[in-house]
Amino acid sequence: GDSVTQMEGPVTLSEEAFLTINCTYTATGYPSLFWYVQYPGEGLQLLLKATKADDKGSNKGFEATYRKETTSFHLEKGSVQVSDSAVYFCALGSRGQNFVFGPGTRLSVLP
Amino acid sequence: GAVVSQHPSWVICKSGTSVKIECRSLDFQATTMFWYRQFPKQSLMLMATSNEGSKATYEQGVEKDKFLINHASLTLSTLTVTSAHPEDSSFYICSARRLAENTGELFFGEGSRLTVL
Repeated sequence: GDSVTQMEGPVTLSEEAFLTINCTYTATGYPSLFWYVQYPGEGLQLLLKATKADDKGSNKGFEATYRKETTSFHLEKGSVQVSDSAVYFCALGSRGQNFVFGPGTRLSVLP
Repeated sequence: GAVVSQHPSWVICKSGTSVKIECRSLDFQATTMFWYRQFPKQSLMLMATSNEGSKATYEQGVEKDKFLINHASLTLSTLTVTSAHPEDSSFYICSARRLAENTGELFFGEGSRLTVL
């Protein structure tokens, strides 16, 4: 079945550092790929998405590119802030099929 | 954007009582809603898939009689934790798939934290 693997962390960075959270997937067909963010005590919010190969999703300074050849969707941000501290979930989904989450990566950004 | 609202956001109850959590899609119709449970510092665990007008599909290991799910309309699904016990304390999150959504994107509620004393 479909699956998502991501680095589990925790990841601790200093403010303004560069962030990469790796995410790889296995899937049949052509799923859409997502990054969701969960702030402490809250539900999940969509951070960005890409619906086909080579698409780049971006939001709030975060970016991820749908790489079919490497089955990856790595999340990057050039300069993290303390307010970016949260748990980040990579996920894949397609119409009519179950959503698949990665295990989540906890990010802590220190001032 | 599509908004999903959960209520209550937190609830404390005594052991043996039942608790109902509502999940509403506020500005779209949702043919399918999903209920998740999340333990501290862990990922989301899918409990069940709820389809409007039909019985929910439960994941393996989830007790149907303990976690009653009703999806009575295209905008409302409810999760009832029956005869709750302390081990049912958790963070419950619902999500919804929009009727005409082709990308598979899910829209999530804010979550409901249940504490059973």
